[in-house]
Amino acid sequence: AQKITQTQPGMFVQEKEAVTLDCTYDTSDPSYGLFWYKQPSSGEMIFLIYQGSYDQQNATEGRYSLNFQKARKSANLVISASQLGDSAMYFCAMTRYGNNRLAFGKGNQVVVIP
Amino acid sequence: NAGVTQTPKFRVLKTGQSMTLLCAQDMNHEYMYWYRQDPGMGLRLIHYSVGEGTTAKGEVPDGYNVSRLKKQNFLLGLESAAPSQTSVYFCASRTGRTQETQYFGPGTRLLVL
Repeated sequence: AQKITQTQPGMFVQEKEAVTLDCTYDTSDPSYGLFWYKQPSSGEMIFLIYQGSYDQQNATEGRYSLNFQKARKSANLVISASQLGDSAMYFCAMTRYGNNRLAFGKGNQVVVIP
Repeated sequence: NAGVTQTPKFRVLKTGQSMTLLCAQDMNHEYMYWYRQDPGMGLRLIHYSVGEGTTAKGEVPDGYNVSRLKKQNFLLGLESAAPSQTSVYFCASRTGRTQETQYFGPGTRLLVL
């Protein structure tokens, strides 16, 4: 079974600083993908970034980057230059290729303060 | 394009009542999903479908039924609502490529009294 662990307590981040959100996963399958989603207080789920297990380089999307450490089964999200609009819950999720399903972690709460 | 839409946005039910949540997508996606989100629990998969006419159980299927009679619609039914089904329900869809993200609807808040 797939298991995603996000255990950080809620985080306060100063505007313009970088923040790293931890995500570890557990799978014995060599073929899998990792996703990060943002859920602001309005409730919608917003896709941020994707990393495949065979991707050689860490994924980046604008201010978002993924620190992928395959041997440690870690896929941390880095948000650079935090903005007030980054205040939200952030969810890490994993799928095994061919599995059709996503397994979600419990989320990390981030509050950006001016 | 509207993307993924959910109806209704909010509903209050009494214990034992039934209701159907409708999810519609206009992206011609093969795969559709129903999740529930409870405080501190993340999203948990209820049921999903890999194509028109197919459905499969997810992580927490008890008390729910689903149907996918048309490719663009995925219905979630509660036959006899219980207070434990108070939650926010999200529908999602995606293409057949595993690397493709799921696209989520705005959610339905359900309160069962």
